[in-house]
Amino acid sequence: GAVVSQHPSWVICKSGTSVKIECRSLDFQATTMFWYRQFPKQSLMLMATSNEGSKATYEQGVEKDKFLINHASLTLSTLTVTSAHPEDSSFYICSASLGTGGLNEQFFGPGTRLTVL
Amino acid sequence: GQQVMQIPQYQHVQEGEDFTTYCNSSTTLSNIQWYKQRPGGHPVFLIQLVKSGEVKKQKRLTFQFGEAKKNSSLHITATQTTDVGTYFCAGMPWGKFQFGAGTQVVVTP
Repeated sequence: GAVVSQHPSWVICKSGTSVKIECRSLDFQATTMFWYRQFPKQSLMLMATSNEGSKATYEQGVEKDKFLINHASLTLSTLTVTSAHPEDSSFYICSASLGTGGLNEQFFGPGTRLTVL
Repeated sequence: GQQVMQIPQYQHVQEGEDFTTYCNSSTTLSNIQWYKQRPGGHPVFLIQLVKSGEVKKQKRLTFQFGEAKKNSSLHITATQTTDVGTYFCAGMPWGKFQFGAGTQVVVTP
């Protein structure tokens, strides 16, 4: 199956700093990439959907200025958590799809565990 | 609010037994997807159902899409320890992609 990588796999940062997470589709060009947040033993919460070359579509309640998404190419999307605070600590997972969101299977990256001190 | 609901939230199964997890939507879905997430891992796509009343099988897993396309089920027969994990359904109620809360499956030998 298609492979999606994420980097870094975990990061610890101080409160107030910004953290960038990369999501890459390694062997295919992804039409759409998704960013999720997952709390322990809970479901995946969709944060935003991004298409290459266009602005990301954020879900209700997700701050655009807080979670900056850049989809520079068909194989790379980045999520930057700006001015991170302890409440931003979470497991962030990206996924990539060959088609439009929800109608095609999503290939998930391994996730990034963010801990903000 | 949560529009794709799953029950049960937890499922303890004896190895060798069968179990079913259910997914319900408040509205008609164009399609439904099922994913499995192993402990410490990431979700992996299992299957997609599109047609009303559709039934698909993958070895010991049977997936069904309801006639009204508002519910789905995953039935696992002869549970094995490798079936441990959380099973999520996902769909697009009202055009917004959403994962269900998941059913966490624990298998006891």
